[in-house]
Amino acid sequence: DTEVTQTPKHLVMGMTNKKSLKCEQHMGHRAMYWYKQKAKKPPELMFVYSYEKLSINESVPSRFSPECPNSSLLNLHLHALQPEDSALYLCASSQGSVEADTQYFGPGTRLTVL
Amino acid sequence: QQQVKQSPQSLIVQKGGISIINCAYENTAFDYFPWYQQFPGKGPALLIAIRPDVSEKKEGRFTISFNKSAKQFSLHIMDSQPGDSATYFCAASRWGPGTYKYIFGTGTRLKVLA
Repeated sequence: DTEVTQTPKHLVMGMTNKKSLKCEQHMGHRAMYWYKQKAKKPPELMFVYSYEKLSINESVPSRFSPECPNSSLLNLHLHALQPEDSALYLCASSQGSVEADTQYFGPGTRLTVL
Repeated sequence: QQQVKQSPQSLIVQKGGISIINCAYENTAFDYFPWYQQFPGKGPALLIAIRPDVSEKKEGRFTISFNKSAKQFSLHIMDSQPGDSATYFCAASRWGPGTYKYIFGTGTRLKVLA
């Protein structure tokens, strides 16, 4: 099973709302990632969790708050977002080592901030 | 130093033809170079990847050519098919103590004409 699942597929929220994006993988991967992708642009790395610990935060605004409850789950909590945060949010996972750096991506959550 | 330059931005190829996409990187510390295929509304999917100690890797119709001295690598799609029409991203990555970079190229929109 090489699947990364993400919920919801689509999310529309107002600037005062609080919502969460969820990601799950059952490949035994120890690294998980959040990316943001705007239309016709490449994915941009936001956060990296390695062995359930936040190891990389690419200077992401605090209105995005990641959480890794266990090795299979990754959440992204959203609060007070801006319209420019509208994008496809992608989750990915990998084995988490130099020798096995292939990332497997989920289908993404299409977020619209009104 | 962290950029990955990708060309062309878009490519139109006849069915059965060869599609060639090029990438160039600056940071010699990168040690993993994957190619991803992305269809509209979907997450990127790994096609093929290479490490710097190998100059060429072939998997089915897809071949990566890697030129370490020139800091360039390319994707060749042989016998291109309409189903190959998608956006292709190259990437370069580097793991290090407390640091991780996964930089995507700007993407190439490939259209294969039937």
